[in-house]
Amino acid sequence: AAGVIQSPRHLIKEKRETATLKCYPIPRHDTVYWYQQGPGQDPQFLISFYEKMQSDKGSIPDRFSAQQFSDYHSELNMSSLELGDSALYFCASSLEGTGSYNSPLHFGNGTRLTVT
Amino acid sequence: AQTVTQSQPEMSVQEAETVTLSCTYDTSENNYYLFWYKQPPSRQMILVIRQEAYKQQNATENRFSVNFQKAAKSFSLKISDSQLGDTAMYFCAFKNSGGSNYKLTFGKGTLLTVNP
Repeated sequence: AAGVIQSPRHLIKEKRETATLKCYPIPRHDTVYWYQQGPGQDPQFLISFYEKMQSDKGSIPDRFSAQQFSDYHSELNMSSLELGDSALYFCASSLEGTGSYNSPLHFGNGTRLTVT
Repeated sequence: AQTVTQSQPEMSVQEAETVTLSCTYDTSENNYYLFWYKQPPSRQMILVIRQEAYKQQNATENRFSVNFQKAAKSFSLKISDSQLGDTAMYFCAFKNSGGSNYKLTFGKGTLLTVNP
């Protein structure tokens, strides 16, 4: 079965640079989520999109932005990177539309961002 | 806002034995979903088991089962016949059932080590 695809798997950036993370959800899934997981931490919700519209927002810094495109893939853009942005970034997708229930979130393998 | 509490930061168990991981949560909602996710050293997020709050029957998936106590807002995970491959961080997670807020709220996690 198709899974959530994230790219790149690893990314090394310097402070003040920008980074773009990509996510391709499971086909027919209508909701995409972004999470940030620091070392030894639980995943923290950043932002989500339902049918290409922002549906919820968590602790996402103003330096970060995200969008979901017409083909349902999503991108997380991170600017003015700081050392503290080093983390594992997960994308997840689920099916939440009419007729769906108890839809778990399916996670990609994550992008490991290192800021030096 | 919902909160999820996992009171056991670390646990260990001998191979083939049974172990129970605890989780409590706080919500004012009557219907919601609960999940256990496993994160092995590879750091993938893998769904272990799910439970709908409106179902009284406890969910079971092979060696994994839950004890869902809605009135007590408790959702523990029992792993029977523990295997070395069960060594992982286990996260309890809460999800609303309606509206546009579909994100998962995670607990801090329990690191389970299965010893040979």
